[in-house]
Amino acid sequence: NAGVMQNPRHLVRRRGQEARLRCSPMKGHSHVYWYRQLPEEGLKFMVYLQKENIIDESGMPKERFSAEFPKEGPSILRIQQVVRGDSAAYFCASSPRTSGRVRFDSYEQYFGPGTRLTVT
Amino acid sequence: ELKVEQNPLFLSMQEGKNYTIYCNYSTTSDRLYWYRQDPGKSLESLFVLLSNGAVKQEGRLMASLDTKARLSTLHITAAVHDLSATYFCAVVQFPSGTYKYIFGTGTRLKVLA
Repeated sequence: NAGVMQNPRHLVRRRGQEARLRCSPMKGHSHVYWYRQLPEEGLKFMVYLQKENIIDESGMPKERFSAEFPKEGPSILRIQQVVRGDSAAYFCASSPRTSGRVRFDSYEQYFGPGTRLTVT
Repeated sequence: ELKVEQNPLFLSMQEGKNYTIYCNYSTTSDRLYWYRQDPGKSLESLFVLLSNGAVKQEGRLMASLDTKARLSTLHITAAVHDLSATYFCAVVQFPSGTYKYIFGTGTRLKVLA
């Protein structure tokens, strides 16, 4: 069972360009979280998505950032008109989250390897 | 808003010594995670603590949770160089059914030979 996959692993963009980061959750997982880690800091929650729904985007910057998780395909975090301050590691996590009775592990998150974005 | 604080932020210790990393959080939570991160790498799950008084041990690392004090500790016994990494605690927040993790600031551990 493959783990959470993210690509690309490293991404270099010039200021003003767009960055697209992809996350494929673990098989059977329908919930995706995105976190950002600035250099020398901890991970900060950005957004939580289910298929075709944004559940919580309280950690997303108001401008230039958007996320989606379509019915088919990976979740995508999109950053428009990147600036140097966007340089960070972006981690995706997925969880199974079953309906009905909640098992203790049904919302445990499994982290991907991350995408390291460098804005020059 | 839930806040998670770790201390110390930096820790340099000699091989063979013992030390403890502390993780405090500001509101109630039912579970706490400890992760290890090597430079440029992703997070490696170490422990999940589910209840008050929970204690888990793996090798030279032992984690405990006191939900009443809102405190978790990660104790390192007889440190070795391979334990050099950054250690994060994370607390789960349950607002409106979203189970986002709130991470601590991290403790950068360097074990000196």
